[in-house]
Amino acid sequence: DTAVSQTPKYLVTQMGNDKSIKCEQNLGHDTMYWYKQDSKKFLKIMFSYNNKELIINETVPNRFSPKSPDKAHLNLHINSLELGDSAVYFCASSQPGTSVTDTQYFGPGTRLTVL
Amino acid sequence: AQSVTQPDIHITVSEGASLELRCNYSYGATPYLFWYVQSPGQGLQLLLKYFSGDTLVQGIKGFEAEFKRSQSSFNLRKPSVHWSDAAEYFCAVEAGTALIFGKGTTLSVSS
Repeated sequence: DTAVSQTPKYLVTQMGNDKSIKCEQNLGHDTMYWYKQDSKKFLKIMFSYNNKELIINETVPNRFSPKSPDKAHLNLHINSLELGDSAVYFCASSQPGTSVTDTQYFGPGTRLTVL
Repeated sequence: AQSVTQPDIHITVSEGASLELRCNYSYGATPYLFWYVQSPGQGLQLLLKYFSGDTLVQGIKGFEAEFKRSQSSFNLRKPSVHWSDAAEYFCAVEAGTALIFGKGTTLSVSS
């Protein structure tokens, strides 16, 4: 009964390919996020969705397109992959609004390697 | 602009010794502060958080952190470190709805 799950855990692909990473949360949260962790372990927000609507897009190339079919899912699609896209991508979810629940819960991460 | 600084990139502590990991933040309003831990090859696990009230917060695994507004700090402490505590530790501040993370501190535990 994993709270935030991501698939796949590892993804190895060639430059120029298109790939997707899936994220699902069973916490009933309204807000979901994608973070990128680079090779120096620096974590940075990419996107935030609230109830299927985009609320944050942090200067991410438009090759990255998040898709939220429902509020429990936020998938990340990446077109024309580049070497610099190699990173660990984390999905997270939260229920903003109250101090008790305004905490982000993270998935296990997807390690993307672009060759 | 909001930011989080973790001054120590790497710390080595002997097993059983005490630990303090430093975190300084820059944020205009009252901050929501977090400490997360990332074990090798794993995701991020929340250790503790500060929203308001008591400035000393208790977390999981025997960790605690103290919020000091005058110093803009939120340092993480543990009185006795275990070998299983070896991991990457991230301090974060909530800015709007997203988290801004520090660059992390790698904790190594020596026997």
